Amino acid sequence: QQPVQSPQAVILREGEDAVINCSSSKALYSVHWYRQKHGEAPVFLMILLKGGEQKGHEKISASFNEKKQQSSLYLTASQLSYSGTYFCGTGPPSSYGKLTFGQGTILTVHP
Amino acid sequence: SAVISQKPSRDICQRGTSLTIQCQVDSQVTMMFWYRQQPGQSLTLIATANQGSEATYESGFVIDKFPISRPNLTFSTLTVSNMSPEDSSIYLCSVSSRQSTDTQYFGPGTRLTVL
Repeated sequence: QQPVQSPQAVILREGEDAVINCSSSKALYSVHWYRQKHGEAPVFLMILLKGGEQKGHEKISASFNEKKQQSSLYLTASQLSYSGTYFCGTGPPSSYGKLTFGQGTILTVHP
Repeated sequence: SAVISQKPSRDICQRGTSLTIQCQVDSQVTMMFWYRQQPGQSLTLIATANQGSEATYESGFVIDKFPISRPNLTFSTLTVSNMSPEDSSIYLCSVSSRQSTDTQYFGPGTRLTVL
């Protein structure tokens, strides 16, 4: 079952923060976050495997709440390069890449 | 991370014909997958390409329409058969390795237009 992302789209000015949520009606074992720029392949950002674990990647971090069956991606002090569509992907244990992706969140950062 | 290449990068095909897409990885990987991304949409898994055996297809996808081969640990092909305009999409292969703890990497994609 496809995870649900919110919001569907967000527009920011450089330096502003954003949060993208990914929720599932089924138990989550892993959450993978990707960013895709127009005309390009999705690029891996991070994977969260344990409940409550927070990971960081420069000014992008994420949390994973197993109980709430939800993950959130935090983008702080956004840069123009952050623009793109963000997808969360969820998978069963040891899925080794067999993921079900959310519908995507379009992030646009303006100067 | 693995370096993945796909051929062709794009193609325009006539209705009723078939196209084979190749995916090459620069290192041996455990898993290879094929996804479809229709314009403006999310990624949908077509099948898992199994080395030395038949691919495992997701609901809604069948072998007759999307035959897949994986002769070794670095190469796979996806054929889109008897194409119709509804098959116009981006087709992406992805790879995953147990050494990389489930991290999945995508190839650059093949943009297919069916007239």
